[in-house]
Amino acid sequence: IAGITQAPTSQILAAGRRMTLRCTQDMRHNAMYWYRQDLGLGLRLIHYSNTAGTTGKGEVPDGYSVSRANTDDFPLTLASAVPSQTSVYFCASSLSSTGELFFGEGSRLTVL
Amino acid sequence: GQNIDQPTEMTATEGAIVQINCTYQTSGFNGLFWYQQHAGEAPTFLSYNVLDGLEEKGRFSSFLSRSKGYSYLLLKELQMKDSASYLCAVRDSNYQLIWGAGTKLIIKP
Repeated sequence: IAGITQAPTSQILAAGRRMTLRCTQDMRHNAMYWYRQDLGLGLRLIHYSNTAGTTGKGEVPDGYSVSRANTDDFPLTLASAVPSQTSVYFCASSLSSTGELFFGEGSRLTVL
Repeated sequence: GQNIDQPTEMTATEGAIVQINCTYQTSGFNGLFWYQQHAGEAPTFLSYNVLDGLEEKGRFSSFLSRSKGYSYLLLKELQMKDSASYLCAVRDSNYQLIWGAGTKLIIKP
C-alpha cells in the first residue's frame, strides 16, 4: 500500500537519551518534511528536504537533525532529548515543493 | 511576522451548513490549503486555492480572496463524521507552508 510509514508510533524516552524517528515513503515524492504538533499551536516545521541529498532548516530546528540519503527515507534524530521535545511528530511528503502534503500517522514522543 | 488566524472551536448541527474562516498575513502568497484532521490521526488534504474564487468538491467548498487575505471552508449537509479539526495553511514566497492552529468543529445531533 503506497504511503508514508512512521516508526515508532509512540515512545517514552528519558531526558538526555538519543532517539531517531523513522520515516519511509514509497510514492517517489521528492520533498519530505518533519513537523511537530503541540496543543493550541499550528504544525511547526522542523526540517525539510526538497530532494534526496539536500536538507534545510524549518521554523524550529534546534535539537533536531535529519538526513536524506535516498528518496524514500527521512529520519529525524534527537541527539539529547529534553522534556520540551514532548510532542506529536508528523512526517510528510509531496511530489514537489509546491504540491499537497501527504502525512504519516504520527509518532507520539514523551520525554521525561 | 507571518500569521494565520482561524477560530479555535465551532459547533454546528448535523445536516446544517458551517463556514470556517481563515485570515492570513504572510510574506508572499503561493496558494492556500485546507486539511482535515480527526483526533489522534494525521491531517488529510481537502482543498487548494491559488486564484480568487470558489472551489467546490462535493459537500466541501473553499473560497479565497487574495486582496483581503481571507479564505473560508464551507461544509454542507454536515455529518457526524465531519467532527474534526480543520487546518488552514498558506505557502509563502519561499514556498514554505505556514499553518494555522486549526479549528475544532463539533457536530451535534
